[in-house]
Amino acid sequence: DGGITQSPKYLFRKEGQNVTLSCEQNLNHDAMYWYRQDPGQGLRLIYYSQIVNDFQKGDIAEGYSVSREKKESFPLTVTSAQKNPTAFYLCASSIAYRVEQYFGPGTRLTVT
Amino acid sequence: GIQVEQSPPDLILQEGANSTLRCNFSDSVNNLQWFHQNPWGQLINLFYIPSGTKQNGRLSATTVATERYSLLYISSSQTTDSGVYFCAVEDKAGTALIFGKGTTLSVSS
Repeated sequence: DGGITQSPKYLFRKEGQNVTLSCEQNLNHDAMYWYRQDPGQGLRLIYYSQIVNDFQKGDIAEGYSVSREKKESFPLTVTSAQKNPTAFYLCASSIAYRVEQYFGPGTRLTVT
Repeated sequence: GIQVEQSPPDLILQEGANSTLRCNFSDSVNNLQWFHQNPWGQLINLFYIPSGTKQNGRLSATTVATERYSLLYISSSQTTDSGVYFCAVEDKAGTALIFGKGTTLSVSS
């Protein structure tokens, strides 16, 4: 089955710890994205990557980092510098930059 | 940056009713997508519709790019239609999608 997978589905961490969220796609898409969703809100862009070994900051990149070493993988690290990390994180991909995006199932991160 | 406003914020329907959701945006766009977010959080693509009209079963969408709005029509609503509907746009010089705050639809039997 082709699609986007995110793991884990739920993640709990203590304040001050870094945590990495996984995003994998087997759609052969070039572009990948990370969004954050807070309760009752729309999604906001954290980082995006148009091609392997290249990525750009989105609107709310502070406290996050990413890597894009392989076409199919785009992990997101939530660092201890992120002041309000508790949120729902969604990964997306598109066949090319700036065309229709498809989303993974998301990871709910809770930091206490 | 571009602003995206969705209305109404909440909508309660009886099964079988029809509804229209609206998305207004403040500038020209390259891309407009409608999504349905189910109770588990999954975003399901409904339409990729920067302009024109499309239909898929009981759902249809129209985007009038020159007037900067898009409409999502749901006919003969079912309980499984419940959830949050998002409109998202990408502006001419944009990087990725800019989302509205969504319309929460509740359909009861």
